[in-house]
Amino acid sequence: EDKVVQSPLSLVVHEGDTVTLNCSYEVTNFRSLLWYKQEKKAPTFLFMLTSSGIEKKSGRLSSILDKKELFSILNITATQTGDSAVYLCAVDTGRRALTFGSGTRLQVQP
Amino acid sequence: SAVISQKPSRDICQRGTSLTIQCQVDSQVTMMFWYRQQPGQSLTLIATANQGSEATYESGFVIDKFPISRPNLTFSTLTVSNMSPEDSSIYLCSAAQDGSEQYFGPGTRLTVT
Repeated sequence: EDKVVQSPLSLVVHEGDTVTLNCSYEVTNFRSLLWYKQEKKAPTFLFMLTSSGIEKKSGRLSSILDKKELFSILNITATQTGDSAVYLCAVDTGRRALTFGSGTRLQVQP
Repeated sequence: SAVISQKPSRDICQRGTSLTIQCQVDSQVTMMFWYRQQPGQSLTLIATANQGSEATYESGFVIDKFPISRPNLTFSTLTVSNMSPEDSSIYLCSAAQDGSEQYFGPGTRLTVT
């Protein structure tokens, strides 16, 4: 059975801190790994990773994939209260539908 | 990126009734999916909506309970039939072009009383 595991499950930090969110996976086939931010209802797309070792960056957020060790990390630097959300990791196993992890709930305190 | 809308955004329904959720994409897409997110949990795939043919359901989800239509490349519906309180969830539609990232609609928050 395909499995996506995120850690930590929740995290409380102060504004300005840097956080690292983890995502490991065990799947029969791997096509890509995606990160989403969910604040209210709809997950908002952040990154799609397909190749090992190539960092994707958008402002204060960055992510990288290690296909040998089967994990990805999402970094957020200089956190702001607006970064408070649930961050979801998902894997496309080739069926195009996504298998999601349980998410990491990030709370950034002022 | 595709822009996806869903209707209704929320509803409160009585047990035993059915609700149809609509999903509209602003451009033609190859793939459309329906997910469920139960309170405090992550997203679980219900089915892949196939254009012009029957949907492909995941284990634990059946067509009689969650009939899905996809008449064209921009529109799909999900019906939640014979509802019970356990069906209270957020239902999310998503879409993707083959090989590209998947985008989500704003979701439908369903409460069954």
